[in-house]
Amino acid sequence: NAGVMQNPRHLVRRRGQEARLRCSPMKGHSHVYWYRQLPEEGLKFMVYLQKENIIDESGMPKERFSAEFPKEGPSILRIQQVVRGDSAAYFCASSRMELAKAGTEAFFGQGTRLTVV
Amino acid sequence: SQQGEEDPQALSIQEGENATMNCSYKTSINNLQWYRQNSGRGLVHLILIRSNEREKHSGRLRVTLDTSKKSSSLLITASRAADTASYFCATDARDDKIIFGKGTRLHILP
Repeated sequence: NAGVMQNPRHLVRRRGQEARLRCSPMKGHSHVYWYRQLPEEGLKFMVYLQKENIIDESGMPKERFSAEFPKEGPSILRIQQVVRGDSAAYFCASSRMELAKAGTEAFFGQGTRLTVV
Repeated sequence: SQQGEEDPQALSIQEGENATMNCSYKTSINNLQWYRQNSGRGLVHLILIRSNEREKHSGRLRVTLDTSKKSSSLLITASRAADTASYFCATDARDDKIIFGKGTRLHILP
């Protein structure tokens, strides 16, 4: 069972371009979480999705950022018109059930490191 | 796979008391982090402690790390109703994988 797969591992974009980050959850997992990590900081929650639904997007900037988790295919985090401050590592995690329920673990992908030049 | 294991699985205490949760892990780490999650919400990062640190404070939170025992503890002092949530530790090994444990479900009684 492959782990959570994120691609690309590294992404370089010029200011003003769009960045698309993909996350394929573990098999059987229908809950996906996206996090952003700035250098020397912990992961900061961005958005929580179940298949086709956004459950909690309280950590996501209101502008330029969007996320989806379609019925088929990976979850996508999309950043439009990137700026230098968007440079960070973006991690997604998946779980079989909601994490707050008993016996559920979340597994992270290895992240996408976005560099905006 | 490496995993943080929280202990206890569930904890109920009276408001105002201190809550202590423990986490054990298996392999060498770079950092250990504690997160909180309210039901239906995303994970909120609480505190990060590096492998060369032994203790860290943030407000009412105190985290300790014992790398020789591969364990960490999270202490919440003067608990409040709003502290009711699940708490997870997460460890990142040197291969950059980060895995959460199953969490401790904390319930603060009025």
